[in-house]
Amino acid sequence: EAEVAQSPRYKITEKSQAVAFWCDPISGHATLYWYRQILGQGPELLVQFQDESVVDDSQLPKDRFSAERLKGVDSTLKIQPAELGDSAMYLCASTPSGGSNEQFFGPGTRLTVL
Amino acid sequence: AQSVTQLGSHVSVSEGALVLLRCNYSSSVPPYLFWYVQYPNQGLQLLLKYTSAATLVKGINGFEAEFRKSETSVHLTKPSAHMSDAAEYFCAVILRREDDKIIFGKGTRLHILP
Repeated sequence: EAEVAQSPRYKITEKSQAVAFWCDPISGHATLYWYRQILGQGPELLVQFQDESVVDDSQLPKDRFSAERLKGVDSTLKIQPAELGDSAMYLCASTPSGGSNEQFFGPGTRLTVL
Repeated sequence: AQSVTQLGSHVSVSEGALVLLRCNYSSSVPPYLFWYVQYPNQGLQLLLKYTSAATLVKGINGFEAEFRKSETSVHLTKPSAHMSDAAEYFCAVILRREDDKIIFGKGTRLHILP
């Protein structure tokens, strides 16, 4: 069964360092989402892509976060510099074309900033 | 304004007992409502998807949800809890039919007592 892939699964870094997360959506899924999930909370949308274009990045802290999906397939989310408050689970999800609104989630990347 | 509220951040039930997880939404009936489950250090898995056309929806793993328009609620139930049901459960909505953004509740941690 096709799945959303994410790497790494776990990342520990020190504050002020740069980190990057990778997501490979299910093949053929045009829409890709990055979420941040703070411990004990529900996921919150950071950025949404339609193919290679950003559809919504209104909740992305653009002073330190960036996201790209250059070829409209896999995507990278970067944080530079990382802050203590960035410790969270970063989830990637994708939806197929054709109007389906079911989002398929990857396993996530657990980030710990020391 | 909060669109979806989950009642109880932690719920404990005995193995074999009824599971009932509560979710209230804002006064407008959302076109789509979802229940997701998240096991530790994993992504979210769709349990069931609810559209306003139905009143009862059956999901995976024996879960089902009943739509109660008069109470603005959609509660998740399972007749008999298993130890493997211990996880975090999220209620989520899409507010407008033409929208694709999912808004998540804060989650309910389900504990199964032996």
